[in-house]
Amino acid sequence: DQQVKQNSPSLSVQEGRISILNCDYTNSMFDYFLWYKKYPAEGPTFLISISSIKDKNEDGRFTVFLNKSAKHLSLHIVPSQPGDSAVYFCAASQNTGNQFYFGTGTSLTVIP
Amino acid sequence: EAGVTQFPSHSVIEKGQTVTLRCDPISGHDNLYWYRRVMGKEIKFLLHFVKESKQDESGMPNNRFLAERTGGTYSTLKVQPAELEDSGVYFCASSQVWDGYEQFFGPGTRLTVL
Repeated sequence: DQQVKQNSPSLSVQEGRISILNCDYTNSMFDYFLWYKKYPAEGPTFLISISSIKDKNEDGRFTVFLNKSAKHLSLHIVPSQPGDSAVYFCAASQNTGNQFYFGTGTSLTVIP
Repeated sequence: EAGVTQFPSHSVIEKGQTVTLRCDPISGHDNLYWYRRVMGKEIKFLLHFVKESKQDESGMPNNRFLAERTGGTYSTLKVQPAELEDSGVYFCASSQVWDGYEQFFGPGTRLTVL
């Protein structure tokens, strides 16, 4: 039933190293994918997105990769910083303005 | 520019009571969404307003939930009567009609039903 899955509930990384967060989806009709970051007691905030016509999108230290054939996307953070410690949600949608389907989140801890 | 605001931030009620959550979207955002996150699970879509009209309410769990957006500005989500399984964090999000991909989320209302 869950169309977007994040199979790693948590991840710990040393400061300065690469963080890789993974996400899988089942619905081939999804055409837009996003990553949201969430701090405790706050709402999710938009981090980076990718359209299905691309396979990579970069924004500073954050890069999202999309593998449509595998229905898989990943978020790379390089270099990781302690301030990146948060819960990261992968989300997908079909058509502009439609609902987002979220994963269960991955809690990232960056160790100083 | 003010972000999405939600009230209250926390609500603790007993089973069978009624609770009303409020969301004020970013000014000028025609799209308004309600989501819910039950402890440790995914953030799940409840419904979507475009201005005052319900565009999609396929995620509403049952008829104990009633959402309104009179005048196309703020929205309320009423749960009546509340059940234990309604506990969770309720998020509201908004987006502009021509840029619906990025949704801006409020801080959420944590609802606990005892």
